[in-house]
This record gives sequence, structure tokens and C-alpha cells, in this order.
Amino acid sequence: DQQVKQNSPSLSVQEGRISILNCDYTNSMFDYFLWYKKYPAEGPTFLISISSIKDKNEDGRFTVFLNKSAKHLSLHIVPSQPGDSAVYFCAARGGTQGGGADGLTFGKGTHLIIQP
Amino acid sequence: DTGVSQNPRHKITKRGQNVTFRCDPISEHNRLYWYRQTLGQGPEFLTYFQNEAQLEKSRLLSDRFSAERPKGSFSTLEIQRTEQGDSAMYLCASSFAGRSQYFGPGTRLTVT
Repeated sequence: DQQVKQNSPSLSVQEGRISILNCDYTNSMFDYFLWYKKYPAEGPTFLISISSIKDKNEDGRFTVFLNKSAKHLSLHIVPSQPGDSAVYFCAARGGTQGGGADGLTFGKGTHLIIQP
Repeated sequence: DTGVSQNPRHKITKRGQNVTFRCDPISEHNRLYWYRQTLGQGPEFLTYFQNEAQLEKSRLLSDRFSAERPKGSFSTLEIQRTEQGDSAMYLCASSFAGRSQYFGPGTRLTVT
């Protein structure tokens, strides 16, 4: 039973445009959500996070939106740059299965490709 | 470099052998986590420590796996009697008081 789902395995966006990556979750116990970026053969790099008591958090070109009623979050990258090409993982903390109280539960990732 | 470090970066071993990985967290972080990632999947939580206490273990952590953090600083993850299914990237992360987790580069294990 996958508690964090990223339904788009890949996404192609033109340089300079907005990239929108989506994530859905099923466990209402999650209290904190994070986005990570990963290049091949490297560990995930933390990008941005949001607490379940907020609906938006912004950091430079990255904005995360949380819709608790829909159990949905999204990451907006604007403007998209070639260096943004990577796999993006959505993660959630606080579920009762998998990660337990503090371990993270991850989605399978979305491969973002920025086209020049 | 003050990030999370992991050693070795790559390990190839024969089935049945024991292997040990090391993780050095960011120095002021009191929590340390181990994850495993296989191809096409996101990282899966294995266990975590607060200081030297192991507070949580996933059901993925079989009896052949053991983790320690003896002085609340670095941690080791040992896999005994390795199996081909143990081949994966083993990731370590650290955080301060459960805030955002920062990952190391990982150790890629190949069991032949």
C-alpha cells in the first residue's frame, strides 16, 4: 500500500517556463512534507518543506502548496532552468507505517527534464 | 565539508559475506536515519537514532541487519550473511530535532 504517490514518472518542461510536480498521499497522520531533488549516483538533496498547518511555503524559485482536504501537494519551480533536470521525490513524515513517527515515507519520484 | 558523509561509496561482496557501512552526520544533528533505495523506487526507511538511542526500526530491517550509534555521533549499519536481494543504495540522513533531513551520498552495495 503506497501512502505517498507521484503519478507522473516523468515531466518535460521548456526552459524558463513553470514546472509543476504533483504528489498525493493517503495517510492523514502525516504532519510534515518535504521535496528532494536527486541526481544519479548522489544522495537526495533537500529542497523545501511544509508543515501540515500551512498551505504554502516559498523559497526562491521553489514554492510548495499543500491542500490537506485533497491530500495533495505540489512543487512549483519558476522559472525552470537546465540545472533543474533531475528526479524529484516527495516525502512525508509522521505516518504510522513505514517511516513511523520520524522516518520519511517517499514517493517513487518524477523525472523532470528541462528542455532548452 | 560539513555535510553527511558515508563510507565506502561502493561495496561489492559475495553472497553470504558480512558488510559494514559507516555514516558521519552533520555535527550538530542529534538524529540519524538509515534508508535503502532500489532502482525505480524512492528511499525506504530502515531505522533511526536520537543521540545513541535507536528509537524506531522498520519491518524492512530483518534480523540480519543491525545498526549502532555508540557515542551519539557516527553510526554503522551491518548486514550479515548478505543476499542478492540486499543489493541497493544505502542512504544515511541526519536532522536536528526531527526537522528537515539531510542525506549523504549513499553506499552502493552489490551482492554477487
